[in-house]
Amino acid sequence: DGGITQSPKYLFRKEGQNVTLSCEQNLNHDAMYWYRQDPGQGLRLIYYSQIVNDFQKGDIAEGYSVSREKKESFPLTVTSAQKNPTAFYLCASSRTGTPRIQPQHFGDGTRLSIL
Amino acid sequence: RKEVEQDPGPFNVPEGATVAFNCTYSNSASQSFFWYRQDCRKEPKLLMSVYSSGNEDGRFTAQLNRASQYISLLIRDSKLSDSATYLCVVNKRGFTGGGNKLTFGTGTQLKVEL
Repeated sequence: DGGITQSPKYLFRKEGQNVTLSCEQNLNHDAMYWYRQDPGQGLRLIYYSQIVNDFQKGDIAEGYSVSREKKESFPLTVTSAQKNPTAFYLCASSRTGTPRIQPQHFGDGTRLSIL
Repeated sequence: RKEVEQDPGPFNVPEGATVAFNCTYSNSASQSFFWYRQDCRKEPKLLMSVYSSGNEDGRFTAQLNRASQYISLLIRDSKLSDSATYLCVVNKRGFTGGGNKLTFGTGTQLKVEL
């Protein structure tokens, strides 16, 4: 079955520690995205990538980094510079068709908490 | 003004009822609109795209009013399994290129009761 796989499902981070969240897709989508969701808030875009070896900052990129070395993979690193990392992290992917904007499809998320 | 605004609810309705949600958006240049469904502590899932002429998928009907800049979702004969948060999603202003940036509303919570 095609889909988006995020791992781990739950992650606990100590203060001052970097952690990396995995996102893999086998939908052959060019574009991939990372969002965070906090209680009572909408999804906020962290980073996105339209093509391999290219990515752009979203609305809240500070304290995060990404890479896009393969079409299928878009890992997100939450660095120690991110002072409030506790959130639900969602990875998504989409085709890049024009002129119609394509919907995004999500993985089942990673819940990150601070120990 | 927020880019996408929704009434957070909750909308508590009896099973079998018809319920409607509205969502307003601020950017008149937005071209693409979607409704997503999100269950508690789960990822959002695409419910339906919203087309200019309006579209229907079973018990769900979506409509777009460009003049007033709102989209709506109508659920007929609601089921207990429809209980979820419904997210209004609009493409982000000024983005060009092959990919897309979407703005997600904070969602409207629906609770269908016996």
